[in-house]
Amino acid sequence: GAVVSQHPSRVICKSGTSVKIECRSLDFQATTMFWYRQFPKQSLMLMATSNEGSKATYEQGVEKDKFLINHASLTLSTLTVTSAHPEDSSFYICSVPRTGGNTIYFGEGSWLTVV
Amino acid sequence: GEDVEQSLFLSVREGDSSVINCTYTDSSSTYLYWYKQEPGAGLQLLTYIFSNMDMKQDQRLTVLLNKKDKHLSLRIADTQTGDSAIYFCAESLSGNTPLVFGKGTRLSVIA
Repeated sequence: GAVVSQHPSRVICKSGTSVKIECRSLDFQATTMFWYRQFPKQSLMLMATSNEGSKATYEQGVEKDKFLINHASLTLSTLTVTSAHPEDSSFYICSVPRTGGNTIYFGEGSWLTVV
Repeated sequence: GEDVEQSLFLSVREGDSSVINCTYTDSSSTYLYWYKQEPGAGLQLLTYIFSNMDMKQDQRLTVLLNKKDKHLSLRIADTQTGDSAIYFCAESLSGNTPLVFGKGTRLSVIA
């Protein structure tokens, strides 16, 4: 079964609203989670590293005030796209490394469409 | 910085073998992955190889690694129409660091 659960799998929202995407590790605790974004017909690009109990680390060019990341527990990280615009429409996916291990698991991904 | 390059398109006939190539720049890469993404779907891990290996075979899939040339390939034997998808090559420094992905190779299988 799935080791990492991501929700929602698909969401449509109106411009200007906010959308929250959840990433849960089901079988193990995770102090770190990674968030990626994939624009249509593009590769997956790392957006940020979510750190449990501290601030997320954002990659260059990613607006931290627009993409809010919260990693409040060892099994849950959330990505909130604030004041969404149509250009934010993308595939967002999280990955979770097993703490102390050498395996990384991906969520199912979330398809966001902003209309 | 780290970079992963792939050819964008590959077209093969059903039943033939497909070979998807990838090059990477970071010689510190320890893990090299192949993922499959079908239209409108998420990522499916196909296989991975450690940098201290030259080859890994798993049923119809064969991964070859030339560490000296930083070249990775994925061979799909007896390619089927269900293999049509985008294949991403990715590398990471360790098992718990973020992956760097190539742009993906779109494999089209002609019946």
